[in-house]
Amino acid sequence: GQQVMQIPQYQHVQEGEDFTTYCNSSTTLSNIQWYKQRPGGHPVFLIQLVKSGEVKKQKRLTFQFGEAKKNSSLHITATQTTDVGTYFCAGPNTGTASKLTFGTGTRLQVTL
Amino acid sequence: IAGITQAPTSQILAAGRRMTLRCTQDMRHNAMYWYRQDLGLGLRLIHYSNTAGTTGKGEVPDGYSVSRANTDDFPLTLASAVPSQTSVYFCASSDTGGGGSDEQFFGPGTRLTVL
Repeated sequence: GQQVMQIPQYQHVQEGEDFTTYCNSSTTLSNIQWYKQRPGGHPVFLIQLVKSGEVKKQKRLTFQFGEAKKNSSLHITATQTTDVGTYFCAGPNTGTASKLTFGTGTRLQVTL
Repeated sequence: IAGITQAPTSQILAAGRRMTLRCTQDMRHNAMYWYRQDLGLGLRLIHYSNTAGTTGKGEVPDGYSVSRANTDDFPLTLASAVPSQTSVYFCASSDTGGGGSDEQFFGPGTRLTVL
C-alpha cells in the first residue's frame, strides 16, 4: 500500500536555528498538505501544494513540492519556541477512495 | 462557532466493554473521518463518511464501527474494547470527501485507555 514517510522523526534545535523536515511518498501525489500539531493538541492545516516544483511561503515557513510530485519539504527559518510541535505531511490515498494518508510526522523541540 | 467537538475528552475502559466516542461538527461539512494516533505511527484512518448515510472503511477498521445518520454527527463504536485500541482518537471533517484535496478540520481528540 501507499506509504508516506517523514524524516527526521525528531529534531531538537536551539531557538534561532533553522529546521527542515522531509516527506517522501511511495506514489506520485496530486497534491500534498502540511499540518501542525502542538503538544497535547490536534492537527491544524497549514498549507496545500498542488503543482510540480511549487514553493510557497508563510512568514518563516517555506514549503516545497518536488518536481516528480513524490516528495515535499518544510523549512523553518530562525525557529522560535512557538514552532514546537509535530509536523505532518499528507497526500491523497488512491487506495482508500482518495482519502488522505498522513506521514509519520516530525517532532520539533525548540529550546532557548 | 465550535467547529468539531468530541466526547469524552478521555476515558479508561475495561477490556471487553462497549464504548462509543462522539463527534459533532457545526460546519455543515459533507465528509467526516475518524483517525487513531499512536506514537511513531502518525494518524491512521479508521473509517470515513463522504456524506450523510454513507460510510467507508479506512486503513485500520477492524474492531470499530461507525454510522452517519445526519450531517453533523459521526459516532465511533468499539463493540468489545481490547488493549491494542488504547490510543488518541481524532474526528475530522472536510467540505467534500473526494480526491483527498480538501483541508481537514480536526476535533480536540479523545484519549482512550483500555485495560
